[in-house]
Amino acid sequence: DQQVKQNSPSLSVQEGRISILNCDYTNSMFDYFLWYKKYPAEGPTFLISISSIKDKNEDGRFTVFLNKSAKHLSLHIVPSQPGDSAVYFCAATGNQFYFGTGTSLTVIP
Amino acid sequence: DVKVTQSSRYLVKRTGEKVFLECVQDMDHENMFWYRQDPGLGLRLIYFSYDVKMKEKGDIPEGYSVSREKKERFSLILESASTNQTSMYLCASSPSAAGLEKLFFGSGTQLSVL
Repeated sequence: DQQVKQNSPSLSVQEGRISILNCDYTNSMFDYFLWYKKYPAEGPTFLISISSIKDKNEDGRFTVFLNKSAKHLSLHIVPSQPGDSAVYFCAATGNQFYFGTGTSLTVIP
Repeated sequence: DVKVTQSSRYLVKRTGEKVFLECVQDMDHENMFWYRQDPGLGLRLIYFSYDVKMKEKGDIPEGYSVSREKKERFSLILESASTNQTSMYLCASSPSAAGLEKLFFGSGTQLSVL
């Protein structure tokens, strides 16, 4: 059973606008959440993370929001750039890492 | 800088062949993982290891085995390759610590089984 879900397989945004990628999870015991970015034919690279005791973490253009009551995680990218075009995976940790199915982001110049 | 190295970027094998995928990390990490990535299915865990000579099954271990004889090296073995094992294989490692916080991935091996 999928414990981490990304319900949008793809997303397109204009350059300079905000990209919002969403993620839902089912296990309230997860204690750490991460976002990874993956380009074709490359391994995923770590982007940003958040502990379950926080509700927001910011790093430059990237902000992750955590809503524990809704078991919902989102990644905001502002402003979006063409180089942000990639597949984004959210993940949660418990006794192992649980990954979502990914959202393919396309930023249109 | 953290480094996870997978021995091959692209590999083409025939059905029934025994296939070895090698992974080496230089961070002295305790934990190592093998995932496969398929379109629409995300990253699925095949096997992982928390220490030398230890291994645990992930979500999809059927048709695979692993070996961890040294801390820095984690090998994935396809005993008899089949076409449904055509996929991108990703190795990853993480430090032990008190819990899992971050995975470091290799560049991946795109395996095609014909």
